[in-house]
Amino acid sequence: EAQVTQNPRYLITVTGKKLTVTCSQNMNHEYMSWYRQDPGLGLRQIYYSMNVEVTDKGDVPEGYKVSRKEKRNFPLILESPSPNQTSLYFCASSFGRWAEKLFFGSGTQLSVL
Amino acid sequence: SQQGEEDPQALSIQEGENATMNCSYKTSINNLQWYRQNSGRGLVHLILIRSNEREKHSGRLRVTLDTSKKSSSLLITASRAADTASYFCATDGDNYGQNFVFGPGTRLSVLP
Repeated sequence: EAQVTQNPRYLITVTGKKLTVTCSQNMNHEYMSWYRQDPGLGLRQIYYSMNVEVTDKGDVPEGYKVSRKEKRNFPLILESPSPNQTSLYFCASSFGRWAEKLFFGSGTQLSVL
Repeated sequence: SQQGEEDPQALSIQEGENATMNCSYKTSINNLQWYRQNSGRGLVHLILIRSNEREKHSGRLRVTLDTSKKSSSLLITASRAADTASYFCATDGDNYGQNFVFGPGTRLSVLP
């Protein structure tokens, strides 16, 4: 089944403790992206990747890192999480660069205490 | 950056009625997409309309695009309780989809 898989679904952590949210897609998509969703603000893009080893900042990249060593994986790394990073996170992917439809993961609800 | 803004923020209707949601954006686009989200789950793509198209249909969905007014509308006909969800428009701007921008969404409640 074609899908974008995010893990974990829920995560509670404390300020400053490094964490990684994994994202994997099995559709051979070139484009992958991370979003955070906060009430009243819609989805805001954190980072995106056009292909392996090609990543770029979205609208709200501060406090986040990403890597794209393999085509299927695009992990989101929070080196030193802070409470303002408490949010619902989504990974998404699409076939190519020309604004094709996005396929979303199920989301990761992160709480930073 | 450019942003889609949905209107209204919330909409409540009875089953069988039509639901119309609007989206306005600020800069030129190549395409505009509508997505649906059920209660904190991942977004699901509904329909994509390109900048050279004015109207598109998919089942009970009808999308219009007016590039002169920088606006789009999503019409759901004969709504069902299962249509209860949040609906988002997303625009790609003029950088060919490298940075999709989503609006804050319209929360639709369809009452049985």
